[in-house]
Amino acid sequence: DTAVSQTPKYLVTQMGNDKSIKCEQNLGHDTMYWYKQDSKKFLKIMFSYNNKELIINETVPNRFSPKSPDKAHLNLHINSLELGDSAVYFCASSQGFFLEDTQYFGPGTRLTVL
Amino acid sequence: DQQVKQNSPSLSVQEGRISILNCDYTNSMFDYFLWYKKYPAEGPTFLISISSIKDKNEDGRFTVFLNKSAKHLSLHIVPSQPGDSAVYFCAASFTGANSKLTFGKGITLSVRP
Repeated sequence: DTAVSQTPKYLVTQMGNDKSIKCEQNLGHDTMYWYKQDSKKFLKIMFSYNNKELIINETVPNRFSPKSPDKAHLNLHINSLELGDSAVYFCASSQGFFLEDTQYFGPGTRLTVL
Repeated sequence: DQQVKQNSPSLSVQEGRISILNCDYTNSMFDYFLWYKKYPAEGPTFLISISSIKDKNEDGRFTVFLNKSAKHLSLHIVPSQPGDSAVYFCAASFTGANSKLTFGKGITLSVRP
């Protein structure tokens, strides 16, 4: 039973395409996140949702749009993909959005834009 | 603008010895620090954390030390085991940040049998 799952695991696509990455957690958590790990290996937060409400929105191009249909799901849609979007994207969840709430990560989705 | 720095990209130690992984930060607002471990093809998993009101936190073989004046923390693993071989990320946050974590770029630890 995977606690935080992401699909697909690998995604290879052409520049200009639109793609989505799905994330689901079965931990009953209220808060979910999207992180991007770029080629320099830094993990950077992109978005965070608590009870389907956006609470963190970092400086991310508006081509990236998160959607939370319910507390257990947080999907990431990317429009007009660019070469620089190539990265590993991690979804995570936590019980709440306080410092002490441990974040549990999914296995990652490796996106390659050609 | 790296607010959390892990300047050594890799570390290799003998099984049974101590592993010391270092992390420095620049933002004096940070008051909560965490270490995550990551195996290949998996997501990071939480290892241990420390609040700025403490200077040490211990959990089994893992101990994190915090030196606020030096803006430095370290993770000690004693004794090191081959299964500890992974990438270790240092992360930091501050009260009121709504759980926003700032990560370092990680250190690859290899424990030789």
